[in-house]
Amino acid sequence: DADVTQTPRNRITKTGKRIMLECSQTKGHDRMYWYRQDPGLGLRLIYYSFDVKDINKGEISDGYSVSRQAQAKFSLSLESAIPNQTALYFCATSDTYWQREGESTDTQYFGPGTRLTVL
Amino acid sequence: QQQVKQSPQSLIVQKGGISIINCAYENTAFDYFPWYQQFPGKGPALLIAIRPDVSEKKEGRFTISFNKSAKQFSLHIMDSQPGDSATYFCAASPLTYSGAGSYQLTFGKGTKLSVIP
Repeated sequence: DADVTQTPRNRITKTGKRIMLECSQTKGHDRMYWYRQDPGLGLRLIYYSFDVKDINKGEISDGYSVSRQAQAKFSLSLESAIPNQTALYFCATSDTYWQREGESTDTQYFGPGTRLTVL
Repeated sequence: QQQVKQSPQSLIVQKGGISIINCAYENTAFDYFPWYQQFPGKGPALLIAIRPDVSEKKEGRFTISFNKSAKQFSLHIMDSQPGDSATYFCAASPLTYSGAGSYQLTFGKGTKLSVIP
């Protein structure tokens, strides 16, 4: 089974609809992230969470909200979807740096992605 | 302001050739530089990473070269194979806590590599 799962994998919706993308992980990591990927723009950070009570805005948080329901679950919501939110969305997890040493501890593990289309 | 600039945007290499992707950064607080590999339909996965205390790191056919004074780092893929065809992202982050933005990865825009037989 995959360590980081995302649901749904594909979603087509209409402008103005509320959409929730869900992410679950079995890696036991404290840190979770949401990114969006657009052609030619790379990966941009939307929100990140270092533990259940810690939520932080990333580079492009406008129009998005998140909820960290448990250590293993981190969901991304689009309250009122608009066409320019059409993109690939990735969830990622990483270990808590200060508990370990070495560069590998900052490895981010990505889910398979959700392709969202807003018409 | 883009903090990690990656080039080229796309690259075509013959099988057996050397693929070279370059990145430059601006933030002197960055002290961790990973490369991620992404195949179509998949999420990115860590390929290799380097800290600034070394100038080069090699893992198999993949080598990172790092130039701290120039604030540049590059990925070299030796003996490139068709199976290496993917999109490659460089990234950078500060691993030392420095307030807001700490530990966040900033990604380059990606390089689509095609290795032709």
